Amino acid sequence: TQLLEQSPQFLSIQEGENLTVYCNSSSVFSSLQWYRQEPGEGPVLLVTVVTGGEVKKLKRLTFQFGDARKDSSLHITAAQPGDTGLYLCAGDGWYGGSQGNLIFGKGTKLSVKP
Amino acid sequence: DVKVTQSSRYLVKRTGEKVFLECVQDMDHENMFWYRQDPGLGLRLIYFSYDVKMKEKGDIPEGYSVSREKKERFSLILESASTNQTSMYLCASSWAGTGGYEQYFGPGTRLTVT
Repeated sequence: TQLLEQSPQFLSIQEGENLTVYCNSSSVFSSLQWYRQEPGEGPVLLVTVVTGGEVKKLKRLTFQFGDARKDSSLHITAAQPGDTGLYLCAGDGWYGGSQGNLIFGKGTKLSVKP
Repeated sequence: DVKVTQSSRYLVKRTGEKVFLECVQDMDHENMFWYRQDPGLGLRLIYFSYDVKMKEKGDIPEGYSVSREKKERFSLILESASTNQTSMYLCASSWAGTGGYEQYFGPGTRLTVT
């Protein structure tokens, strides 16, 4: 069974601080995505990483895919209250030999205080 | 931009009622998914569909059924609602081609069963 473990589960920081969120698995994934979900809303796709070792930047957010494609990290520089939300990682998985489903981590709940 | 809409943002139903949750996507995506999201349990896949009139069970299909009569529409049915089905229900869609299988989510339906 493919699993994605996210850490930490909860993170509360002050505006301006840096933080890193981790997503780990013992399985290899073809690709991995990061989503952000605000309270009462659906998850919104932030980025997809496909190549081992790949680094992608989205303004103050830096995403990295591990060399072995088993793990990923999200680093936020100078966090702002608008970064508050639930961050989910997801990797493409298999159901009965069919590809197209995603395995989701349980998420990291980030709170950035002004 | 991909748009996934869900028929209701909030719904309150009584135990034993039949409940229909509708999801429509406008991007001609082949794949559609229904999840429920509960605190501490993350996103759990209920059913998914790779094509019209096609459905596959996810991790927690018990108590639910689905219908996909048209490519753009995927319905989730609770045959006889129970209090343990109180949850946030999220619909998603994705393209079936090769690549990252990114999923695009609707805003969610917060269902309360009393």
